[in-house]
Amino acid sequence: GQQVQQSPTSLVLQEGENAELQCNFSTSLNSMQWFYQRPGGSLISVFYNPSGTKQSGRLTSTTVIKERRSSLHISSSQITDSGTYLCAMEQGTGGRALIFGTGTTVSVSP
Amino acid sequence: EAAVTQSPRNKVAVTGGKVTLSCNQTNNHNNMYWYRQDTGHGLRLIHYSYGAGSTEKGDIPDGYKASRPSQENFSLILELATPSQTSVYFCASGDGTGNSDYTFGSGTRLLVI
Repeated sequence: GQQVQQSPTSLVLQEGENAELQCNFSTSLNSMQWFYQRPGGSLISVFYNPSGTKQSGRLTSTTVIKERRSSLHISSSQITDSGTYLCAMEQGTGGRALIFGTGTTVSVSP
Repeated sequence: EAAVTQSPRNKVAVTGGKVTLSCNQTNNHNNMYWYRQDTGHGLRLIHYSYGAGSTEKGDIPDGYKASRPSQENFSLILELATPSQTSVYFCASGDGTGNSDYTFGSGTRLLVI
């Protein structure tokens, strides 16, 4: 079954609103990352956060290993935050390939 | 600047035809990966490689072959393309040391008709 579950599937925000994206893992959490993808674009690493809390500007990631979950908080959303956010976990074997969730599509309107 | 470059950017292929997707990296990473991205599935691993001459099966290898002739280049080959292989394909490189240093290419949009 799906090892990485993301929620919600999509999110519509008014500019300035906050949002919380969730990622849950069915196996032991290993080297967790968040990526951002614009429509038709490539994946850009947003956070490498294997545990604890990290902040970068208006984005905050919190990973709780024991609970096998990670969250991405967007504060004071802007139109430029629109896109898809994917969480991924590194496989312990298999060339350390990433296992991805299905993503959360965020749309921020003025 | 280190990068992963994919070609072509877009491709239309005929069912039963052969398709080769190319990927070049200048990161000097040992590991390279091919994923496909489909709505509702996220990115799924097709093949990966530990270095020149190495190719390994990922989670969905059926219908695909891979080739790693050098550290820099990693190709994905569809010998007999089918409409179910219509997708967006991403190549990535990683250092393979657990430092989570991954770089993705811009993707190849493949349509098989």
